[in-house]
Amino acid sequence: QLQLQESGPGLVRPSETLSLTCTVSGDSISSSSYYWGWIRQPPGKGLEWIGSIHYSGTTYYNASLKSRVTILVDTSKNQFFLKLSSVTAADTAVYYCAMYSSSTSRYLFAFDVWGQGTMVSVSS
Amino acid sequence: QSALTQPPSASGSPGQSVTISCTGTSSDVGDYNYVSWYQHHPGKAPKLMLYEVSKRPSGVPDRFSGSKSGNTASLTVSGLQAEDEADYYCISYAGSNTFVFGTGTKVTAL
Repeated sequence: QLQLQESGPGLVRPSETLSLTCTVSGDSISSSSYYWGWIRQPPGKGLEWIGSIHYSGTTYYNASLKSRVTILVDTSKNQFFLKLSSVTAADTAVYYCAMYSSSTSRYLFAFDVWGQGTMVSVSS
Repeated sequence: QSALTQPPSASGSPGQSVTISCTGTSSDVGDYNYVSWYQHHPGKAPKLMLYEVSKRPSGVPDRFSGSKSGNTASLTVSGLQAEDEADYYCISYAGSNTFVFGTGTKVTAL
């Protein structure tokens, strides 16, 4: 059964770079039809798609965050990563990693596997 | 990419039906039949309830149904139960592996 687990610092200083890791278990991150994404939820607000990556390294970003976001993948470790630079208090949120597929063998273009989320606070 | 518009809240008595709308544009909801709905209980991971507008993943009760007309998708919960109280979000595919999320709706069983 495919599972995702986020990890990383719970506190980041303003202007620094937020770095999170999502570890994939139960399946290979290198499946050609799987895409791996990051989603966040600021306190009291709704969910926001940050971006996604394919195991090939192709990335897709939310236009509103694109200038500050980098998503990377390490197929040897079955992990993918989020880096968000120049953070401010507005980046305080629960960060989720999630997976969607482009294959009809799963739920097409729907995030059907999620991590439990990790809270990241931006504060000095 | 502007967020999809959902009503902030919706409510109904147990056993009644509740419908939540999700309004986008001709570039997302109106252009693709890849609208999905998620149930989110605080502190937990969101759960996929519907995909491709109206299809239910295995294990999701048939009380949950979906539809789409033009730029607006809808989720209906029939026979509302106390356990259905949660936040619900729609997500639409917007082409080129990008997504737009809804603003979220808090569902309350009165």
